[in-house]
Amino acid sequence: DGGITQSPKYLFRKEGQNVTLSCEQNLNHDAMYWYRQDPGQGLRLIYYSQIVNDFQKGDIAEGYSVSREKKESFPLTVTSAQKNPTAFYLCASSITGLNSPLHFGNGTRLTVT
Amino acid sequence: QKEVEQNSGPLSVPEGAIASLNCTYSDRGSQSFFWYRQYSGKSPELIMSIYSNGDKEDGRFTAQLNKASQYVSLLIRDSQPSDSATYLCAVKDSNYKLTFGKGTLLTVNP
Repeated sequence: DGGITQSPKYLFRKEGQNVTLSCEQNLNHDAMYWYRQDPGQGLRLIYYSQIVNDFQKGDIAEGYSVSREKKESFPLTVTSAQKNPTAFYLCASSITGLNSPLHFGNGTRLTVT
Repeated sequence: QKEVEQNSGPLSVPEGAIASLNCTYSDRGSQSFFWYRQYSGKSPELIMSIYSNGDKEDGRFTAQLNKASQYVSLLIRDSQPSDSATYLCAVKDSNYKLTFGKGTLLTVNP
């Protein structure tokens, strides 16, 4: 089955630790995106990538980093510099094109205490 | 920063009624428009996409786009309790950046 896999579903970390969220897709999509969602809020764009080895900052990139070494993978690292990291993180992918919709993974719920 | 605005709701409609969800966007260069449905605790799923001015119908759903007014809407006919969810409007610009509104919570009462 083709799809987008985010792991783990729930993640707990202590404050001050970096943590990496996994996102893998087997849809052969060129574009991948990371969003953050807080309770009662919409999705806010962290980073996005249209092609391997290239990515762009979204609206809230501070405190996050990404890499795009392979077409199917777009891991997100939440660094200790991110002041409020507890949130629901969503990865998405699409074929390249302005009219292409995003397809989402099931998300990772990160809790930092 | 480019903005996408939606009424947060909640919007409450009786079963069988028409639900009307609205969205405005700030960037006149926006290219394509999407409506997603999100159930509590789940990831968003695509309902409709629209790229040209006018109406687009898919089953019980109709998307309407007016680029001059920078306005996009979603109508849900014959609303069902299973339609109760948060509806997210999303707008893609010429740099492939997709910006979401905060969503409108819809409740369909049996």
